[in-house]
Amino acid sequence: DQQVKQNSPSLSVQEGRISILNCDYTNSMFDYFLWYKKYPAEGPTFLISISSIKDKNEDGRFTVFLNKSAKHLSLHIVPSQPGDSAVYFCAASASGGNTPLVFGKGTRLSVIA
Amino acid sequence: KAGVTQTPRYLIKTRGQQVTLSCSPISGHRSVSWYQQTPGQGLQFLFEYFSETQRNKGNFPGRFSGRQFSNSRSEMNVSTLELGDSALYLCASSLGGYSNQPQHFGDGTRLSIL
Repeated sequence: DQQVKQNSPSLSVQEGRISILNCDYTNSMFDYFLWYKKYPAEGPTFLISISSIKDKNEDGRFTVFLNKSAKHLSLHIVPSQPGDSAVYFCAASASGGNTPLVFGKGTRLSVIA
Repeated sequence: KAGVTQTPRYLIKTRGQQVTLSCSPISGHRSVSWYQQTPGQGLQFLFEYFSETQRNKGNFPGRFSGRQFSNSRSEMNVSTLELGDSALYLCASSLGGYSNQPQHFGDGTRLSIL
């Protein structure tokens, strides 16, 4: 039973345009959500997080939106750059981040110059 | 500030052997978590240690074990290796207190079982 789902295995976007990566979750106890980026042969790098008391969090080109009623979050990257090409993982946890992170299977983003 | 360090980066073993992987967390981080990543899968949680105590455990057989030392460094051990244990093993550290703090990952140990 996948509690965190990333239904798009891959996504291609033109350089300069917006990239939107989606994530759905089923566990209503999740209250802390994170996005990680992973390059080949490296560990995941933390990008941005959001707690359930918010519906939006921004950090530079990265914005995460949380829709609690739909159990859905998305990561927006604007503008997309070739260096953003990587696998993006969505993760969630309950109890304010003090329980194990549950990860989605990832979405491979390709930004085309 | 130094990141999470995992050693070794690559390891080749044969079935039936055992292996120990090491993780040094970011200075000041007291929580260390271990994950297994296999092709096509997300990261599967193995266990978490906080202040030398196992705080959380994933759904893996008892062949997978770990420990944490007083300096927060952690080791993971896998006994009686099986072909299916071939994977990237990732360690992540965080402050570990009761607050929303992200986990920061090392670059992993790639374990291959022949």
